[in-house]
Parts: sequence; C-alpha cells; structure tokens
Amino acid sequence: DGGITQSPKYLFRKEGQNVTLSCEQNLNHDAMYWYRQDPGQGLRLIYYSQIVNDFQKGDIAEGYSVSREKKESFPLTVTSAQKNPTAFYLCASTFDGTGMNTEAFFGQGTRLTVV
Amino acid sequence: AQSVSQHNHHVILSEAASLELGCNYSYGGTVNLFWYVQYPGQHLQLLLKYFSGDPLVKGIKGFEAEFIKSKFSFNLRKPSVQWSDTAEYFCAVTLNSGYSTLTFGKGTMLLVSP
Repeated sequence: DGGITQSPKYLFRKEGQNVTLSCEQNLNHDAMYWYRQDPGQGLRLIYYSQIVNDFQKGDIAEGYSVSREKKESFPLTVTSAQKNPTAFYLCASTFDGTGMNTEAFFGQGTRLTVV
Repeated sequence: AQSVSQHNHHVILSEAASLELGCNYSYGGTVNLFWYVQYPGQHLQLLLKYFSGDPLVKGIKGFEAEFIKSKFSFNLRKPSVQWSDTAEYFCAVTLNSGYSTLTFGKGTMLLVSP
C-alpha cells in the first residue's frame, strides 16, 4: 500500500542532543513537508521541499534542519538550538504542491519528548 | 500570507445533535479549501475538499461543507453526529495558483457524548 511512514513513533531526547526523525513515502510525490503540532496551535509548517535537493523554510524553521537527497525521503533533524522541541511532528506529501495538486497525505507522526 | 481561523476550539455535543464548525480564511485570490480530521490515536486524514465548481461539497462519513466566497468561509456541517465523530477537526487552505503550502487553522476538538 502506498503511504507515508514516519519513525520512530515515540522518541525521547536529552537536552542538548540533536535527533533525526525519519519520513519515507512511496507515493511518488514530488513535494514533502514537515509540520509541528502543539495543543491549541494547529499544524505549523517547519520546512518543505518541492523537489529533490531543494527545500525551503516554513513558518517555524529555527532550530530545525532537513535534507532531501532522495525523492522518497525527507528527514528532519531537531537540533539543540530548538528551544521547545517537545511536540508531535507530522510529515506530509503532495503530488507537486501546485494548484489542484495540494491535497496532502500524512504520516502517523512522531511524538518527541525532551527529558 | 493566507491565514485560517476556526471559531471554536472545543465543541461538546450529544449524539444525534447537528454540527457546524466555522472556518474563515483570509486571502483575496482563488483558494483550495480542505477539512482534515484526526481521530484519537490516528493519523490526519482528508474529510473533504473544495477546488472549484459546486460550493457545497460532500465528504466521507456524512460530512459536508459549504464554500461562501463572499464571506471567505468554509463551514463544516453534519446533520446528526455520532460518538465515533469524536476527533479534532482542522480547516486548511492553499492558493490555487503556482506553488502553495497548506495553511491550517488551530483546530476544533469535538467531543460527542453517547
């Protein structure tokens, strides 16, 4: 079945450590996204990538980094510079992110807790 | 940049009650509109979408939404809710020109009591 796989489902990190969240899709979508979900805040865009080897900052990119070396993969690194990293992280993809092709498909999410 | 406003953060209803969740967006151009739902412990999934044409769109599980361009609104409705509709609902918008990312509202948590 086609879809988006995020791993791990739960992640614990010590303060000061970087951690990488995995996101893989087999939908053959060009565009991929990372959102952060906090209670009462909705989903806020961290980074997005329209095509391999290219990505752009979203609304809350500070303290995060990404790479897009393969079409299928869009890992997110939460760095120690992120002041409040405990959150639920969602990865999504769209066919190409233009016009009518903006229907997004989401992964199951990774819940990151800083301990 | 576009923004989305959802009127209620929490809604509590009894089974069989009617539901209407408000959503307004701010953007003067042509938009695509979505409602997503997140059931407890599950991933975000599309409930319904509007791209063009009939402003009354029907989605899964008996939900519908009406696009009123003059009011910049895309309210979600269901005539009779069930306990299984307990979930968080998100309204979202993209622009219908060029490349655009989804902008979400803050969500409405719906609790349906049996």
